[in-house]
Amino acid sequence: DTAVSQTPKYLVTQMGNDKSIKCEQNLGHDTMYWYKQDSKKFLKIMFSYNNKELIINETVPNRFSPKSPDKAHLNLHINSLELGDSAVYFCASSPSLNTEAFFGQGTRLTVV
Amino acid sequence: AQSVTQLGSHVSVSEGALVLLRCNYSSSVPPYLFWYVQYPNQGLQLLLKYTTGATLVKGINGFEAEFKKSETSFHLTKPSAHMSDAAEYFCAVSSGGGADGLTFGKGTHLIIQP
Repeated sequence: DTAVSQTPKYLVTQMGNDKSIKCEQNLGHDTMYWYKQDSKKFLKIMFSYNNKELIINETVPNRFSPKSPDKAHLNLHINSLELGDSAVYFCASSPSLNTEAFFGQGTRLTVV
Repeated sequence: AQSVTQLGSHVSVSEGALVLLRCNYSSSVPPYLFWYVQYPNQGLQLLLKYTTGATLVKGINGFEAEFKKSETSFHLTKPSAHMSDAAEYFCAVSSGGGADGLTFGKGTHLIIQP
């Protein structure tokens, strides 16, 4: 069983479109995250949810909106996609804030 | 605020040689420290972590790291490199009881020469 799974693995879309990435964890963790990894492999936290409550909301465009329907799911919706949004997006979960995070396999988003 | 500096974006070692990947951190509170490995087109896998207690921590795949508070360092070592160790390695810090999440360094690409 995959601990943290995200879909899709690859996403190619045109500028201006709206897309969603889904994430689910079966580890029973309270905290979930979205990270963005750019072309230089730099990882930056975007959002963190703890028990469905938004805890960390880094400086990302308002076009990015996370949704946590329950503790096991944290989806990422992106409106009006831009070329600069192309990156690999990782979902992760951890037992609590600031403990080790377990990562999904990533979603490679390419905006053309 | 917290930050991580990984010295050397690329490190090349011969198979069988010592691996040393450097990580220095900055944190205003006692940190939790982590090393992750990322193989091509995969997610990040936790190698080891330091929270409290013993400053020398052992991880998977023969890696270990030592927390040195006086040097604000958490360098990763492995006595003998294998070809399979070739990957991207990330050091990360969190602020213990804080609420900042993990902050990652820029990564070090480890190259193993045959």
